[in-house]
Amino acid sequence: VLTQSPATLSLSPGERATLSCRASQSGSSYLAWYQQRPGQAPRLLIYAASSRASGIPARFSGSGSGTDFTLTISSLEPEDFAVYYCQQRGAFGPGTKVEIK
Amino acid sequence: EVQLLESGGGLVQPGGSLRLSCAASGFTFNNYALTWVRQAPGMGLEWVSTISGSGGGTFYADSVKGRFTISRDNSQSTIHLEMNDLRAEDTAIYYCTKDSHKTGKGWFDPWGQGTLVSVSS
Repeated sequence: VLTQSPATLSLSPGERATLSCRASQSGSSYLAWYQQRPGQAPRLLIYAASSRASGIPARFSGSGSGTDFTLTISSLEPEDFAVYYCQQRGAFGPGTKVEIK
Repeated sequence: EVQLLESGGGLVQPGGSLRLSCAASGFTFNNYALTWVRQAPGMGLEWVSTISGSGGGTFYADSVKGRFTISRDNSQSTIHLEMNDLRAEDTAIYYCTKDSHKTGKGWFDPWGQGTLVSVSS
């Protein structure tokens, strides 16, 4: 089971976003992060906890191991306001919505 | 370029059946597991089923086990999801996605555009 916090993050463009994902048990480093904009399919951002997927801007970074993982967006761009999901094996977290403050 | 194109969604009555397909291109098809993920209206993502690259391994969420069957045709670079005894709670967009590993349990990239399944009388 994956839990994500916060459920909603209200920030302004240019601010830093820190999203958390916690696994109920340790065991896999194949933790991935996805972005989903309204009306679109999810898009892979980060895989294996800290590797950026192809074409993903450097402002997105992932960290963590064991049961605690973090997605950081260093400076929010207008297109970054979306829902973010973490995933490990056959489980997805409930998502964090990053909204404009 | 890797592409995944889902088809087969539609409106079906409770208890009915539907077969989804996902046509893949741009990669060596039998080297990768493929997965179905669904998203109910206004809700989050739910993993549904994965099939290994060889087709010998199939995995299902508890919510669909015994009702859904995943299969693949490596000669046609296509996977299918046979859905029986459909319920209102199966209403969702169904996405096809490529796993990073042959046996599954990796990460998913890319995703198709999705196909909508609506279960209603």
